[in-house]
Amino acid sequence: AQSVTQLDSQVPVFEEAPVELRCNYSSSVSVYLFWYVQYPNQGLQLLLKYLSGSTLVKGINGFEAEFNKSQTSFHLRKPSVHISDTAEYFCAVIVYSGGGADGLTFGKGTHLIIQP
Amino acid sequence: NAGVTQTPKFQVLKTGQSMTLQCAQDMNHNSMYWYRQDPGMGLRLIYYSASEGTTDKGEVPNGYNVSRLNKREFSLRLESAAPSQTSVYFCASSERGAGQREQYFGPGTRLTVT
Repeated sequence: AQSVTQLDSQVPVFEEAPVELRCNYSSSVSVYLFWYVQYPNQGLQLLLKYLSGSTLVKGINGFEAEFNKSQTSFHLRKPSVHISDTAEYFCAVIVYSGGGADGLTFGKGTHLIIQP
Repeated sequence: NAGVTQTPKFQVLKTGQSMTLQCAQDMNHNSMYWYRQDPGMGLRLIYYSASEGTTDKGEVPNGYNVSRLNKREFSLRLESAAPSQTSVYFCASSERGAGQREQYFGPGTRLTVT
């Protein structure tokens, strides 16, 4: 079974500073990787996804992530954060079974706190 | 398009009561999912449905049942609620194509069992 580890439960960053949220997964087979964002009292919104191809993927709101197969990582980055980026960020993985629906396995989340 | 809708938004139950959480999607997706979110735990899969007429257990199915009523609707039932089922419940849907793996989430139902 696959698992996802988000190493930091909380990351405080000053406004306009860069940020990296770390995500590592464990799986011996090919995976699809996702980052979702959850604003307070809302559902989850897709930030970006890696299915195949280029290992650097760009998402919404200026975020990007790099898939590193050898290190089994999919870290999320933003060069300059804004106060509106304060939210919970979830890394998630699907192991493609070929049979149809595949539930996401989520990390426990990282709370990004932007300080003015 | 409304996307994924869930009702109710909030619910308080007493231990032993039953209730059904409703979910509907208007994106013509084949697959639908139910997750629960608990503090510090991320989201965990309860049940999923690959297509109309099929359902399968996820990571934490105990105490729940589901019904895929048609392609649009996927309900989650708690037959006898327990305090351990206090959580926020999210419904999601997705397409099954190779390039369309992302799931779209509803706004959630916040359930408290006393």
